[in-house]
Formats: sequence, structure tokens, C-alpha cells
Amino acid sequence: NAGVMQNPRHLVRRRGQEARLRCSPMKGHSHVYWYRQLPEEGLKFMVYLQKENIIDESGMPKERFSAEFPKEGPSILRIQQVVRGDSAAYFCASSPQTGSYGYTFGSGTRLTVV
Amino acid sequence: EDKVVQSPLSLVVHEGDTVTLNCSYEVTNFRSLLWYKQEKKAPTFLFMLTSSGIEKKSGRLSSILDKKELFSILNITATQTGDSAVYLCAVASMDSNYQLIWGAGTKLIIKP
Repeated sequence: NAGVMQNPRHLVRRRGQEARLRCSPMKGHSHVYWYRQLPEEGLKFMVYLQKENIIDESGMPKERFSAEFPKEGPSILRIQQVVRGDSAAYFCASSPQTGSYGYTFGSGTRLTVV
Repeated sequence: EDKVVQSPLSLVVHEGDTVTLNCSYEVTNFRSLLWYKQEKKAPTFLFMLTSSGIEKKSGRLSSILDKKELFSILNITATQTGDSAVYLCAVASMDSNYQLIWGAGTKLIIKP
């Protein structure tokens, strides 16, 4: 069982470019959660997805950010026209069902905007 | 607004020492409190606490919850350099069956 796989591990983008972060949940998990972690801060919930559905995107900025979890393939978090303030670690977690708080986290993608 | 506060923010001790990490919370409709260990990679699950006064134990780590005073502690005895990490506390509310409210973490450094 490969666990939750995130790639890339590190991503450097210039201001104005697009960033695409990928997350493959654990085998058998159909629920995916994206979190952002700023330096010296706790994890902040962004979005919760099931296959082909966004369940809760209340933590995601309304502009420039989008997420999807297609029927086939990984979940994608997309950030368009990145700004310096988007620099953070983005973690994905998965669970087999909702209400499973003991999420399994991926190793994260560290985004640096220069 | 719901919040989770951890203290201290950072802690440096010597190998063999015992440490106590604190997590206090103000969360509407508390359901459970969770502890995670985050090294350089993914946070890994340690404990979930739901009931007051019942200690959860795993090796040298133990944790207890006080629902009256709204806090939890995580104890690590006979610390080792491998215990160096950020320890995260998160709280689940009855208002959501998937969202967690996270503290900022305690960065623990164990010196040999």
C-alpha cells in the first residue's frame, strides 16, 4: 500500500504562473482533503472532494484556486497566477469514508513563488 | 470563532528528559481531539481522545484529555533524538464530520 502520494515534492513558480499539485489517495480511499500550511501556523482546511464531486470548498480562496478529483486519476489542486503569498506547504489527506478523522496524509508539496 | 492553541511554540531539551506539550481549545460542540507528529514530511497520527481522564499510551508517549478545563497534554518520557518533530493538536467538532481545527504546533528539539 503506497500511501497518499503527492507530487511534486517541491515546486518553484514565478509570479503569474500556474501551479498544479497532484494527490493520489491511498488505495480504497475515496475522500480527499487539501490543507495549506504556512510557516509557524497550523494546517488550514481548503477543500474536501469525493470522486467527481466537490463537497466543501469553504476554505479555498474564491479566486485563482480550484480543485478537482476526476473519476480517473489523481486529485489536482490548481493555483492560477500565483503570488508570493501562495508560498506554503500544501498537504493532501485521504480517508476511506467521511468522519474518519485519523486521516492519512501525503508528504506535501512545498510551493515557492519567486 | 473556534480555536486551538498549543504551547509552548518550541521546546529544546536533552535526550532522556521528559516533556509535556499542551493543547487548549475553544471549539463549539467538541467531538474529539487528535495529536499528530510531523517530521519533515507528512503528519502522522498519534492519538485520538474523546473521553476525559482516560489516558492513551503508546510506548513512551501518552496523552490525556480534560473536557472540563478544555485542554489536553501529550507527554513524552525518556526522550530520544528521533522524537524531534513538530507535534500538532487538532480538534473535531460535531458541526462537521471531516473538518479539523488545528493548532500551530509545538516544535520539539531533542539534543543528544
